[in-house]
Amino acid sequence: DQQVKQNSPSLSVQEGRISILNCDYTNSMFDYFLWYKKYPAEGPTFLISISSIKDKNEDGRFTVFLNKSAKHLSLHIVPSQPGDSAVYFCAAQGGNRDDKIIFGKGTRLHILP
Amino acid sequence: DAMVIQNPRYQVTQFGKPVTLSCSQTLNHNVMYWYQQKSSQAPKLLFHYYDKDFNNEADTPDNFQSRRPNTSFCFLDIRSPGLGDAAMYLCATSFSYTDTQYFGPGTRLTVL
Repeated sequence: DQQVKQNSPSLSVQEGRISILNCDYTNSMFDYFLWYKKYPAEGPTFLISISSIKDKNEDGRFTVFLNKSAKHLSLHIVPSQPGDSAVYFCAAQGGNRDDKIIFGKGTRLHILP
Repeated sequence: DAMVIQNPRYQVTQFGKPVTLSCSQTLNHNVMYWYQQKSSQAPKLLFHYYDKDFNNEADTPDNFQSRRPNTSFCFLDIRSPGLGDAAMYLCATSFSYTDTQYFGPGTRLTVL
C-alpha cells in the first residue's frame, strides 16, 4: 500500500510557465516532506523540504506548499527552465528518530521549448 | 568535494553469479542506506546502518546482504542474482535518520 502517491507519471510544461507537481500521502504521522530531483544516470538530489508546522517553503524558483488537512503537497517551479526536465520524487518522513523516508514513484517533468 | 561514490556504475552479471556493489562517502555521515529502484517505481529501502548498527527492512530478501567495514564504506552483496534483481541500486547517506539524505549516482545491475 503506497503511503506516498504521485499520480501523474509525467507532465509537460512550456518553458517559462509554471510547473506544478502534486503529491498525496496517507499517513498522518508524517511530519517532514521532501522533494528530490533525478536526472538520468544520476542519483536523486535533494531539492527542497517542508516541515508539517509550515504550509509553505520557498527557495528561489521552487516553492513547496503543504495542505495537511488534505494530506497533499505540491511543488511549484516558476519560471520553468529546460534544466528542470527530470524526474521529481516526493518523499515523506515520520517524526521518530529512526523513521525512514518513504518515496513516491516520481513524476517525469518535460520542459518544452 | 564531499560526496557519495558508487562503483561500478554499470554491472552485468549472470543468473546466480554473486555480485558485490560498493559505496563510499566522504561526508562522514553516520547513516548509510541501500535502495533498489526499478523502472517507474519508488526507491525501495533494503538496508540501513547507523554507524555499525545494521537494520534490515522486513521485506528485503535473504539473497541480499550488506557489510559496512568502516564509516566510509558500505557494500551490497547479492548472493544469487535472479532476473528480478535487475535494477538501479542507490546508496545514500545522512548525518542522522532525520537529516537530508545524499545519494550516490547509482549502480545499474543487469542480470543475464
